[in-house]
Amino acid sequence: DAKTTQPTSMDCAEGRAANLPCNHSTISGNEYVYWYRQIHSQGPQYIIHGLKNNETNEMASLIITEDRKSSTLILPHATLRDTAVYYCIVRFFGNEKLTFGTGTRLTIIP
Amino acid sequence: GAVVSQHPSWVICKSGTSVKIECRSLDFQATTMFWYRQFPKQSLMLMATSNEGSKATYEQGVEKDKFLINHASLTLSTLTVTSAHPEDSSFYICSARLGTGLTGELFFGEGSRLTVL
Repeated sequence: DAKTTQPTSMDCAEGRAANLPCNHSTISGNEYVYWYRQIHSQGPQYIIHGLKNNETNEMASLIITEDRKSSTLILPHATLRDTAVYYCIVRFFGNEKLTFGTGTRLTIIP
Repeated sequence: GAVVSQHPSWVICKSGTSVKIECRSLDFQATTMFWYRQFPKQSLMLMATSNEGSKATYEQGVEKDKFLINHASLTLSTLTVTSAHPEDSSFYICSARLGTGLTGELFFGEGSRLTVL
């Protein structure tokens, strides 16, 4: 699976959009981009995933660049409950395993 | 969304004893479940892949005789930490894949915090 690079930490004001970047420059054509988050002392929570098209669900939007070398997770109206570690994971098609990196610690500020 | 439940949420045991952690998929069947371990302020590390009706597949460096995995049914996998020692104290998390498609999302349990005295 391709390696990802994320900023160690980010802050975002409550009510604002939180934009979390992820670099995956070595991604191959059949690797998907997944986002999970982990609130303190809980198991990871699935957020969204995509291959090459932008995706949106009730939690977030995923913007993948045309060359697929990077992506951005957008939380449109961040709340205090969105404070968590966010993991960007690239997963090879057919590989059920998830390899977690260090993620981005997002802190929502009141 | 799909629910994966772990039990117990936290457990404290004496050194040398064995501890069993259960992972259940409550509203779906999972032929494959995964067990992770997470030390404080670190990321999740995959320990093993649990396959229903067959032996688990362990990641490099994980002792299979130390961490016994049993996937007896399509909704239950158990992890037994045998002869636990303080260095086994950690946050243990399981996950299960929803759906038959290979791109289905993985859902995680709430985690089980083990403290070995």
